[in-house]
Amino acid sequence: ETGVTQTPRHLVMGMTNKKSLKCEQHLGHNAMYWYKQSAKKPLELMFVYSLEERVENNSVPSRFSPECPNSSHLFLHLHTLQPEDSALYLCASSQDRRDRQFFGPGTRLTVL
Amino acid sequence: DQQVKQNSPSLSVQEGRISILNCDYTNSMFDYFLWYKKYPAEGPTFLISISSIKDKNEDGRFTVFLNKSAKHLSLHIVPSQPGDSAVYFCAASADGNEKLTFGTGTRLTIIP
Repeated sequence: ETGVTQTPRHLVMGMTNKKSLKCEQHLGHNAMYWYKQSAKKPLELMFVYSLEERVENNSVPSRFSPECPNSSHLFLHLHTLQPEDSALYLCASSQDRRDRQFFGPGTRLTVL
Repeated sequence: DQQVKQNSPSLSVQEGRISILNCDYTNSMFDYFLWYKKYPAEGPTFLISISSIKDKNEDGRFTVFLNKSAKHLSLHIVPSQPGDSAVYFCAASADGNEKLTFGTGTRLTIIP
């Protein structure tokens, strides 16, 4: 499934670094999502964008900053992260907000 | 408080036999349930879903059963094949809300 791509696949960063995760969907979907999966925890929804407008922000710390410049692209800007932010970050998209979601392969983030 | 629970972290089944994966939920507002399958280094992929107006949905070797009174759903795979070895996530959402709440997953291993 190459409908949703994510780059980079792996990222190691220090706590003072600034980096960005990128997600691109080639499915013509209108909604995009960021999820976080920590070890032995369920996937946690972070942000939802529908038609490029943020419609959900699940009490995520401000050191995570999403950006959706158009319906095909979604970014997650990271700055001054903590080691506990190390996790798998998954992007997903869906035709609309009630449709099934298609996931990207994820970015494995390690914060040192 | 975990609203979607998968109490078995792992399950091993002989090839050709039936695999039964279980999921319990606590939120009575959930009305749409999904199963996702995840291979290592890939994002979750949608497998099958069921609406609360039904108690069974079948797609090939996969059948999902919903017991609303018990707040329980299960995924049956028959016959099980080696390619079914993966982590299976149960997810649920409430009416008018695209937010998916995931379980922690069950790792299924099919023994040849």
